[in-house]
Amino acid sequence: DGGITQSPKYLFRKEGQNVTLSCEQNLNHDAMYWYRQDPGQGLRLIYYSQIVNDFQKGDIAEGYSVSREKKESFPLTVTSAQKNPTAFYLCASSIDRGGNQPQHFGDGTRLSIL
Amino acid sequence: DAKTTQPNSMESNEEEPVHLPCNHSTISGTDYIHWYRQLPSQGPEYVIHGLTSNVNNRMASLAIAEDRKSSTLILHRATLRDAAVYYCILRNGGSQGNLIFGKGTKLSVKP
Repeated sequence: DGGITQSPKYLFRKEGQNVTLSCEQNLNHDAMYWYRQDPGQGLRLIYYSQIVNDFQKGDIAEGYSVSREKKESFPLTVTSAQKNPTAFYLCASSIDRGGNQPQHFGDGTRLSIL
Repeated sequence: DAKTTQPNSMESNEEEPVHLPCNHSTISGTDYIHWYRQLPSQGPEYVIHGLTSNVNNRMASLAIAEDRKSSTLILHRATLRDAAVYYCILRNGGSQGNLIFGKGTKLSVKP
């Protein structure tokens, strides 16, 4: 079945470490997104990409980096500069970034600090 | 993107219809009304979206007020699996706006 796969489901990071969260889609979608969700809150946009080799900062990009070398892959790196990285991270994709296009989400990665 | 207002929580009985309201008084003519839902510890799931006319799909119906300043998501027969947080979001169809999630409505379904 087509969809979005995020891995791992749970991830633990030591202080000062960078960690990379994987996101793969087989929906042939051009646009991909990364969101962060804190307990009891809605989602906030970290980065988005409209097409391969292009990406833009969202509302809370500081301390994060991304790459988009392949259409189906959009990994997110949480760097040591992100001072409060504990959160639920969600990846999504859509056909394009038009306002009438729904986004399809993965099941998320829960990141915790040891 | 314009703002939406939803009740914090609602309760329903299993197998009864549920009407989830959303107010969006500052909606513009090109804003689409999107609904997503999120089950505990899962990513959001697209439910339905519309512009002006009422919309139906296998999951739900979307009723849009004539002046477009409010809308209602209708689950025709609630099941326990429908217990989730439901988000009403506006997205401008003419631009490449982002989804802006508020806190949504937490729906509880009683057996």
